[in-house]
Amino acid sequence: DQQVKQNSPSLSVQEGRISILNCDYTNSMFDYFLWYKKYPAEGPTFLISISSIKDKNEDGRFTVFLNKSAKHLSLHIVPSQPGDSAVYFCAASIQGAQKLVFGQGTRLTINP
Amino acid sequence: SQTIHQWPATLVQPVGSPLSLECTVEGTSNPNLYWYRQAAGRGLQLLFYSVGIGQISSEVPQNLSASRPQDRQFILSSKKLLLSDSGFYLCAWSLRTDSYEQYFGPGTRLTVT
Repeated sequence: DQQVKQNSPSLSVQEGRISILNCDYTNSMFDYFLWYKKYPAEGPTFLISISSIKDKNEDGRFTVFLNKSAKHLSLHIVPSQPGDSAVYFCAASIQGAQKLVFGQGTRLTINP
Repeated sequence: SQTIHQWPATLVQPVGSPLSLECTVEGTSNPNLYWYRQAAGRGLQLLFYSVGIGQISSEVPQNLSASRPQDRQFILSSKKLLLSDSGFYLCAWSLRTDSYEQYFGPGTRLTVT
């Protein structure tokens, strides 16, 4: 049972344009969502997060949007840079659960 | 600042051999600790997590086991490796309370031949 889904395995974007990565979830009990970035042969690094009491959180070039009614979140990267090429994972958690549920990841490629 | 170490970085083991991967965290006390596996082309699968010494929760029944002999040490083991155990193993830590963020180590690439 995949509770967190990233339906696009890959995405290719031109440098300078906006990258939009999507994530859907099925468990309405999730109350916190995170995005991680992973380079090959390295551990994922935390990027940005959002609580379910918010619908938007911004940090520099990265913005996460949460649509609770649709059980959907997205990560916007503007402008996209070559160093953004990586695999992006969304993750979700329930307060008190002390663990994360990850999506399958989306490989983002930024083309010069 | 906090640091998480994993070793070895890469490992090639024959089928049927034992496994021991080690993870240690520095700069924090009483962390939650996690073991994940990323199989080729797949997402991150939570294998085990621990909220304290000797406390292990298993997420997926399998050929692996975990132990936490010290507060900041987490060990992943197997008595007999299978081909399907190949993958990229990641250790992570988080604060015990009021924090969802997990912080990952550099990972171990395990190839079972």
